Amino acid sequence: NAGVTQTPKFRVLKTGQSMTLLCAQDMNHEYMYWYRQDPGMGLRLIHYSVGEGTTAKGEVPDGYNVSRLKKQNFLLGLESAAPSQTSVYFCASSYLRAGEEQFFGPGTRLTVL
Amino acid sequence: AQSVAQPEDQVNVAEGNPLTVKCTYSVSGNPYLFWYVQYPNRGLQFLLKYITGDNLVKGSYGFEAEFNKSQTSFHLKKPSALVSDSALYFCAVRSSRDDKIIFGKGTRLHILP
Repeated sequence: NAGVTQTPKFRVLKTGQSMTLLCAQDMNHEYMYWYRQDPGMGLRLIHYSVGEGTTAKGEVPDGYNVSRLKKQNFLLGLESAAPSQTSVYFCASSYLRAGEEQFFGPGTRLTVL
Repeated sequence: AQSVAQPEDQVNVAEGNPLTVKCTYSVSGNPYLFWYVQYPNRGLQFLLKYITGDNLVKGSYGFEAEFNKSQTSFHLKKPSALVSDSALYFCAVRSSRDDKIIFGKGTRLHILP
């Protein structure tokens, strides 16, 4: 099993450009999450999904959109990238039960110039 | 709203000495508490969790954590530190009333040879 994979691993964008980050999991997890990691800020939850076709806002959702059309995939979109969105983005997934731990992907390092 | 505090940005411990990484939390409802470790340029890896029951939980690599409801704390501990324990450690919490998992800002652990 590949676990949680993220595409791409690195990306450089210019301000105003758009892009989509793809997260895929092969563990049949119901829950999926997108976080961003910034120095001194820890991990902050952007959006999450509790099942196919559902999404919800996290702590820092502004400037991002998400979609969960298939259970195994969770897409994070930046419609008009800003330098403040320069960060490392992590996807995670977990089973439905509240006490289940998350499995994390390797991360996507995004730089917005 | 739920929150997690890791009061120490960095903890230095000599190899062979016991280590403690502190975490306090705030949630409405019952807490589900987690510790994760992150090595350089990697995603987060699950260490241990508290769901219910025994307040002392044991996890991977010899780590353990003690849940203290009255102090709303979940400190990570290890009796004898190894140089290979040097990494970034994150505490996370989820409320029984919510689907979001919120992380602390992380504590960098340095084990000195």
